Amino acid sequence: QVQLVESGGGLVKPGGSLRLSCAASGFTFSDHYMAWIRQRPGKGLDYVSHIGSGGASIYNADSVKGRFTISRDNAKNSLSLQMDGLRVEDTAIYYCARLALGDNGYHYFFMDVWGKGTTVTVSS
Amino acid sequence: EIVLTQSPGTLSLSPGERATLSCRASQKVNSRYLAWYQQRPGQAPRLLIYGASSRATGIPDRFSGSGSGTDFTLIISRLEPEDSAVYHCHQYSTTPWTFGQGTKVEIK
Repeated sequence: QVQLVESGGGLVKPGGSLRLSCAASGFTFSDHYMAWIRQRPGKGLDYVSHIGSGGASIYNADSVKGRFTISRDNAKNSLSLQMDGLRVEDTAIYYCARLALGDNGYHYFFMDVWGKGTTVTVSS
Repeated sequence: EIVLTQSPGTLSLSPGERATLSCRASQKVNSRYLAWYQQRPGQAPRLLIYGASSRATGIPDRFSGSGSGTDFTLIISRLEPEDSAVYHCHQYSTTPWTFGQGTKVEIK
């Protein structure tokens, strides 16, 4: 079945780095745009970053520009998020999500499959 | 940035009742590019509705979405205990893509 499994979360000090990974299975990974969405404690959802199916098209939210880097390895069905310069306000559950692909091959920017998430805590 | 405001903040209803959730955008959402997600306690979000009114695969027809422009609605026609969750709206019309703050549905 279609599945996304995140890993790599943990506790890190402000200014530190962390690399999140997402293993995809059950679908043709290389066909889909992929995204990272986060949810701060007790808050709503924030769109962090997405990457095109081939890796060339990248979007980053202003809040993470210059600090977070999204990448993918289609041969390994894997999505990553390198997080540098972490701040206390980056504390959140980070979800890996698949962006929808229409029957006509059009890429939509809503999330039709979500992983269970991995928790990142930034604290001194 | 398009700000999405959801109301009410919390809805407390009995099984079998109808729930009406609102999502209002600060600017027009083009092409009805609005989605709704359900997030049960301790779980990841799940896609319910996309394109303002299209149900995602496997979603019961008790869930329906409507609206255009700046006003969108999610209706759960006959509440069941498993519908207890937070419901998020999401616009994917204009970057930055944004979410509402969520509406919590409690089943009495």
